[in-house]
Amino acid sequence: QSALTQPASVSGSPGQSITISCTGTSSDVGSYNLVSWYQQHPGKAPKLMIYEGSKRPSGVSNRFSGSKSGNTASLTISGLQAEDEADYYCCSYAGSSTRVFGGGTKLTVL
Amino acid sequence: QVQLVESGGGLVKPGGSLRLSCAASGFTFSDYYMSWIRQAPGKGLEWVSYISSSGSTIYYADSVKGRFTISRDNAKNSLYLQMNSLRAEDTAVYYCAREDGPRVDYWGQGTLVTVSS
Repeated sequence: QSALTQPASVSGSPGQSITISCTGTSSDVGSYNLVSWYQQHPGKAPKLMIYEGSKRPSGVSNRFSGSKSGNTASLTISGLQAEDEADYYCCSYAGSSTRVFGGGTKLTVL
Repeated sequence: QVQLVESGGGLVKPGGSLRLSCAASGFTFSDYYMSWIRQAPGKGLEWVSYISSSGSTIYYADSVKGRFTISRDNAKNSLYLQMNSLRAEDTAVYYCAREDGPRVDYWGQGTLVTVSS
């Protein structure tokens, strides 16, 4: 499977909102509401932020939200904070027990 | 609390073999699918392999199919990845991960595998 497409980088100022897109195909993102989003700080393991497109695990701030339209999923972070600066990866179920990650997006908080 | 601790990484020559282990604790290991996910230096995440709770269902990424073997020992709360015919492009941090549905809810800290002559 081909990797999902994410912008290489996004940036925003503290307090602002940003959105990271994740574009797949009708075989993955478009067919299943099973996109998850992970946050990764340098040198650390990834952390689950959103699952099943828009659900937040316990303990994840409600500043993080997810959505999907067609073959594109999105992660929105509102009220940007310095600690949100990290790499973000989307991942989608792609059928036949396979999964595919996006290439990752580096978020810079200005 | 859930803990996943990987071991077995290191430096290996191209064509060599390595076996990774993951010790799980803090949850009923036999209830969960488990995965290995890797990240090459400075690169993104790549799903390598996953195994069902009983071990009856296994998936491999095309990039490792035929060379890597995932297994688990539910009595020992352990996950394994046998890696053979290693290539330079297999150099990465390998994460042990717990699956809850098609998502990873817990990750280990990773173990670095370096394939170089």
